[in-house]
Amino acid sequence: DIQLTQSPSSLSASVGDRVTITCQANQDINNYLNWYQQTPGKAPKLLIYDASTLETGVPSRFSGSGSGTDFTFTISSLQPEDIATYYCQQYENVPYSFGQGTKLEIK
Amino acid sequence: EVQLVESGGGLVQPGGSLKISCAASGFAFGTYWMHWVRQAPGKGLEWVSRIKRDGSSTAYAASVKGRFTISRDNAKNTLFLQMNSLRAEDTATYFCTTMSGDWGQGTLVIVSS
Repeated sequence: DIQLTQSPSSLSASVGDRVTITCQANQDINNYLNWYQQTPGKAPKLLIYDASTLETGVPSRFSGSGSGTDFTFTISSLQPEDIATYYCQQYENVPYSFGQGTKLEIK
Repeated sequence: EVQLVESGGGLVQPGGSLKISCAASGFAFGTYWMHWVRQAPGKGLEWVSRIKRDGSSTAYAASVKGRFTISRDNAKNTLFLQMNSLRAEDTATYFCTTMSGDWGQGTLVIVSS
């Protein structure tokens, strides 16, 4: 099975900061990686698919990069509404595993 | 507008069974692979199962394999998850999703005596 190691598990940042989350797979996943945003009590929202493609309607301050086993999710300028938990997920092979999540808070 | 609406969750005793559903509308349901993802209270997301467009192929997480069965009725635009031999650790909100950006609101399953 493919394991995803996401870090950090939590992060505190100020409005306007650049925020970076990493996701490492234990084998090549051919860029089959999603990034989700989830707020309490809500379903996850897809932000990025295929590692770097922005989902329609998602603000351009969100971006994804990487290939093979190492991936990065970036918020270029943190906004108050970005407070949430973020997850990476691979869909190269079943089981389609998720990272452990990164809880983002405002400093 | 795409809608996925789960139903059928509730309280069930350990060892019991439950079948949850997901009614789809607003898109060509029969052309999408469909998935179930769950989230235990206060925990992260866990992929549970997926089914091919025509129902001919399924896959499961190791934690539910042999106990859960995914199925679909394309004529009724509905996805199902039959859950047997339920355990306390199956307590979670269960989401149906296309994995293409469309998610339901989830249905809560509580396994407790």
